[in-house]
Amino acid sequence: AQSVTQLDSQVPVFEEAPVELRCNYSSSVSVYLFWYVQYPNQGLQLLLKYLSGSTLVESINGFEAEFNKSQTSFHLRKPSVHISDTAEYFCAVSPYNFNKFYFGSGTKLNVKP
Amino acid sequence: DAGVTQSPTHLIKTRGQQVTLRCSPISGHKSVSWYQQVLGQGPQFIFQYYEKEERGRGNFPDRFSARQFPNYSSELNVNALLLGDSALYLCASSLSPTDYEQYFGPGTRLTVT
Repeated sequence: AQSVTQLDSQVPVFEEAPVELRCNYSSSVSVYLFWYVQYPNQGLQLLLKYLSGSTLVESINGFEAEFNKSQTSFHLRKPSVHISDTAEYFCAVSPYNFNKFYFGSGTKLNVKP
Repeated sequence: DAGVTQSPTHLIKTRGQQVTLRCSPISGHKSVSWYQQVLGQGPQFIFQYYEKEERGRGNFPDRFSARQFPNYSSELNVNALLLGDSALYLCASSLSPTDYEQYFGPGTRLTVT
């Protein structure tokens, strides 16, 4: 069985400050790891993914996440956030055959001016 | 191209009633997954369908059922509604069951009174 834990339900941060959104998972099988973002009044969108290779993955809008197998973590970071990054972020895992996705409970990032 | 579409957007039902939710995948996508997102929680996997066959099922009671049509659209049915079924129901489509790139629809907000 798989489970995903996002310890922080809300993260307030000032614009241009760095941020880290934490994600830990447990799984009895090998999984792929994902971060999804949900902007206000919009659907879920894939932000970035780890499938294999380099453990550090990046998105087009400056976010990055690092897969740490020993700590079973996949934390999301951004060195300098913008107001437009205000959204809810979901960490998810999926077994290699992709027939199920398991989501965390989400972290609401609130970027203040 | 149109994204994933879901109908209706909102609906209100009474306990004990039955409901049918509809999803049209992105053109060319043959796999559809359904998720339930209760307020304050992450999406929970309900079903995955591919080529009209069920490929995966989450931990939901038999009151929940689904089907996929030859045009790859899908319906989710919930019988004997309970108050706890109140949630946002999300549909996601992908090219195939092994394609990690899922595209989510805006969801159907179901309220059970």
